[in-house]
Amino acid sequence: GQNIDQPTEMTATEGAIVQINCTYQTSGFNGLFWYQQHAGEAPTFLSYNVLDGLEEKGRFSSFLSRSKGYSYLLLKELQMKDSASYLCAVIWQAGTALIFGKGTTLSVSS
Amino acid sequence: GAVVSQHPSRVICKSGTSVKIECRSLDFQATTMFWYRQFPKQSLMLMATSNEGSKATYEQGVEKDKFLINHASLTLSTLTVTSAHPEDSSFYICSARDPGAMSSYEQYFGPGTRLTVT
Repeated sequence: GQNIDQPTEMTATEGAIVQINCTYQTSGFNGLFWYQQHAGEAPTFLSYNVLDGLEEKGRFSSFLSRSKGYSYLLLKELQMKDSASYLCAVIWQAGTALIFGKGTTLSVSS
Repeated sequence: GAVVSQHPSRVICKSGTSVKIECRSLDFQATTMFWYRQFPKQSLMLMATSNEGSKATYEQGVEKDKFLINHASLTLSTLTVTSAHPEDSSFYICSARDPGAMSSYEQYFGPGTRLTVT
């Protein structure tokens, strides 16, 4: 199956760094996305990885290892507004839909 | 960036009635759109892939006679929930891929439609 695994919940404090992991089935892999979703809203795009390595974009970075079927989203200098669900999504075949993991709910406290 | 709209944003209907949700790509042409459903505290579940000018492809377990999808133009796809029941109450989100975008795999999401069936 197209198993995408990520932790259900994480907590952190303001100013801290948090890493959200995602593992997936490697067969047929064509790219991995991270989205942020606040309650009651649509997901918003954070990052896209198709090659191995780290992609940095401001406070957010995303890493991919295709051979290990592993990605992580790194959030630095956490702010209260970062409290949201973070969704790992994979494309397995070119032109097909994104398939989402169950999402990780991040709670940031002061 | 590419913009996708959905209408309505919220709808309440009575059990047994039908509801139509529209998904539009505002500044690009989308030959393919996707429909997802999201129940509270759960992730997005792909329902179907909507292809302009042809029949939609439904995911396993999604009733094609209950969730009618029409993709009549390059900028509009509609999802009609027929004979709605309370268990159909959910957040329905569409997305579209912009073939002209740098990353042709990226999907742009509409704002979602909250359906409540009473």
